[in-house]
Amino acid sequence: KAGVTQTPRYLIKTRGQQVTLSCSPISGHRSVSWYQQTPGQGLQFLFEYFSETQRNKGNFPGRFSGRQFSNSRSEMNVSTLELGDSALYLCASSPSAGRWSYEQYFGPGTRLTVT
Amino acid sequence: DAKTTQPPSMDCAEGRAANLPCNHSTISGNEYVYWYRQIHSQGPQYIIHGLKNNETNEMASLIITEDRKSSTLILPHATLRDTAVYYCIVRGSGAGSYQLTFGKGTKLSVIP
Repeated sequence: KAGVTQTPRYLIKTRGQQVTLSCSPISGHRSVSWYQQTPGQGLQFLFEYFSETQRNKGNFPGRFSGRQFSNSRSEMNVSTLELGDSALYLCASSPSAGRWSYEQYFGPGTRLTVT
Repeated sequence: DAKTTQPPSMDCAEGRAANLPCNHSTISGNEYVYWYRQIHSQGPQYIIHGLKNNETNEMASLIITEDRKSSTLILPHATLRDTAVYYCIVRGSGAGSYQLTFGKGTKLSVIP
């Protein structure tokens, strides 16, 4: 079974631009979560989607948004990019949502650099 | 806030068992203990999780103390490819707690 895939793997953007990252979960998984990883803050939870609905959200500004499609694929968008948004963005999929007995499987991440 | 305490770093000789401790003294009854690891610049990799019984899979064993206040991840025969940051995570208990909250983890170095 194929793992979680994320595109693109690397991205360079300029301050003020916006960016859209894509995530395809493991086949059959319906929950997708997004995380941001920076050297200073570590891994931080952004949001979780299940059945096209955002079920949980971390402490990030409204510039960070996401959505999930009917095939469980997910996108996250960051508008008005700031230098501090440079990070590794990770997507994780899980068979279901709202159950802490389910493990999450991570993709390889998208490395975003904002200049 | 992370609910776990882990040593920042550990060394292990190649071929020996790596025992990574984790303290989670405030864990509540319905919270699971999860272990993930992250090899440099890759996505975290799920290893194992448990509630109160010891667990074993093809990667590792998880030993949870009877009072559930601490646990140990055991890699039975460490290889150089096991060099990574290992995260112990307590997950659950209440609405909105389904995400994984990562702490700083333990950087395990497997030495030839």
